[in-house]
Amino acid sequence: GENVEQHPSTLSVQEGDSAVIKCTYSDSASNYFPWYKQELGKGPQLIIDIRSNVGEKKDQRIAVTLNKTAKHFSLHITETQPEDSAVYFCAAAHNDMRFGAGTRLTVKP
Amino acid sequence: DTAVSQTPKYLVTQMGNDKSIKCEQNLGHDTMYWYKQDSKKFLKIMFSYNNKELIINETVPNRFSPKSPDKAHLNLHINSLELGDSAVYFCASSQQSYGYTFGSGTRLTVV
Repeated sequence: GENVEQHPSTLSVQEGDSAVIKCTYSDSASNYFPWYKQELGKGPQLIIDIRSNVGEKKDQRIAVTLNKTAKHFSLHITETQPEDSAVYFCAAAHNDMRFGAGTRLTVKP
Repeated sequence: DTAVSQTPKYLVTQMGNDKSIKCEQNLGHDTMYWYKQDSKKFLKIMFSYNNKELIINETVPNRFSPKSPDKAHLNLHINSLELGDSAVYFCASSQQSYGYTFGSGTRLTVV
């Protein structure tokens, strides 16, 4: 089955800096790669996703890149704000969704 | 309107009891799921279910069973609860494996 690895497990940045979270996946049949943000006491919320026929997607301060050959995808957050602090999960899906272990992002004001 | 709602939000119960968690989605999605999130925040799929097929993660004990009275509901029944079952359980739904939407979670504590 699919195995998704996510790095780093914790990330601390200064407000205004950029944050990058990286994931790799094992199943070459995976064709959908969403990113979720989970705030304390809440369920994961979809923030951006990308399908395998696209290499990059951007939504305001958030961007995701996908390298199918390397089976690697990344989340980029620019101009970070304290409210970006949360746990972020990458995932890869073919028939079902498998999640990475999560990255706890802390943005210091 | 809440897209995926699950109840209760908190559940504290004694070892050996049987309990249920309910989940409803109003998105018209065709597939529903149950995930378990442990203390280290790892999200692990337990079940996926649509009208045609129930897929069970082989690591889930058979004390856990999903019940779907209709397309919009997928409840989780747990028999003979154990201490190790303590976790946060998330219901989710999707349309053909895309756009998973999660509920707000049920924190189960077994004492």
